Amino acid sequence: NAGVTQTPKFRVLKTGQSMTLLCAQDMNHEYMYWYRQDPGMGLRLIHYSVGEGTTAKGEVPDGYNVSRLKKQNFLLGLESAAPSQTSVYFCASRQATGGYEQYFGPGTRLTVT
Amino acid sequence: GQNIDQPTEMTATEGAIVQINCTYQTSGFNGLFWYQQHAGEAPTFLSYNVLDGLEEKGRFSSFLSRSKGYSYLLLKELQMKDSASYLCAVRAPNAGKSTFGDGTTLTVKP
Repeated sequence: NAGVTQTPKFRVLKTGQSMTLLCAQDMNHEYMYWYRQDPGMGLRLIHYSVGEGTTAKGEVPDGYNVSRLKKQNFLLGLESAAPSQTSVYFCASRQATGGYEQYFGPGTRLTVT
Repeated sequence: GQNIDQPTEMTATEGAIVQINCTYQTSGFNGLFWYQQHAGEAPTFLSYNVLDGLEEKGRFSSFLSRSKGYSYLLLKELQMKDSASYLCAVRAPNAGKSTFGDGTTLTVKP
């Protein structure tokens, strides 16, 4: 099993450009999450999904959109990138019941200039 | 809302014991996680406490007191590879969301 994978690993964008980050998991998990992590800080929840076709806002949703068209994929979109969105983005997934720990992908390091 | 506090940095010596504290004030509580994150890597799960008391798992133990809004992670027989950031996270009752603290960066010195 690959676990949770993220594409791409690194990206540099110019202000105003758009991009989509892809998260994929092969563990048949119901719940998926997108976080951002800034230097010296913890993880802040951007958006999350409790199942295919559902999404909800987290703590810091502004400037981002998400979609969960397939259970195994969770996409994070930046419509018009800003320097404040320079960060490391982590995707995570977990089971709906039982084990509540989240499994994290390796992260995407995004720089907006 | 959720407010989680952890010390920013700690230093300890190889072979020693270190305790990393976490205090929280939350509007709801379903459990508390500890994750380990090495520099440049993803967080990995260490422990999950739902009830009061101590949970031991090898060299790592985690303690919870729900009435005091307090938890700690205890690392014994420290090794150099334990140098990492340790994140405390509180699980909310709705939709399985967790709120993370800013993490404690532990440096283990020879």
